Amino acid sequence: AQSVTQPDIHITVSEGASLELRCNYSYGATPYLFWYVQSPGQGLQLLLKYFSGDTLVQGIKGFEAEFKRSQSSFNLRKPSVHWSDAAEYFCAVGGGSNYKLTFGKGTLLTVNP
Amino acid sequence: DTAVSQTPKYLVTQMGNDKSIKCEQNLGHDTMYWYKQDSKKFLKIMFSYNNKELIINETVPNRFSPKSPDKAHLNLHINSLELGDSAVYFCASSQNPGQGSYFGPGTRLTVT
Repeated sequence: AQSVTQPDIHITVSEGASLELRCNYSYGATPYLFWYVQSPGQGLQLLLKYFSGDTLVQGIKGFEAEFKRSQSSFNLRKPSVHWSDAAEYFCAVGGGSNYKLTFGKGTLLTVNP
Repeated sequence: DTAVSQTPKYLVTQMGNDKSIKCEQNLGHDTMYWYKQDSKKFLKIMFSYNNKELIINETVPNRFSPKSPDKAHLNLHINSLELGDSAVYFCASSQNPGQGSYFGPGTRLTVT
């Protein structure tokens, strides 16, 4: 069975500081991995995705993520956080014939001015 | 040009009532989903349809019945609503597993 763990429920950073959100996954085959962002009262927006190729993937809004197979991790990073990045971030794993996504429980990001 | 749209955005109703949520996608995707997000923000898949055929049904009470009249639409009907059904319901669509899913804005259902 596929599963995702986001160890950090809530992270607070100062504006301009760097950010890393952690994600560990469990999947029986080569996983499709995703990061989504959800602003308050909004739907989910896809930030970036990984299936194969370069293990460092670039996404929208200046985010990047690195796939590490040996650690079963897919951590999200941003070099300099903006106040507008404050939101809930979800890591997800998917694949198989049904394209089902399994989400982590999310990490709430607070940005201090 | 809304890619995945849902109606209504908010739904407040009493226990025991029956209600429906509609979803439409204009992306030409073959696969559509319903997800439930509970009060703790946990997202869980409920159903998935591929070309109008049910392919995922994740231990959801049979009070919930999805219907896909065509591959661009996936509606969710809920009978005999209970307090525990209060949540945000998201519709999503996808064309292939590597692409990820595109989500609608959500429907906040409140059962009183």
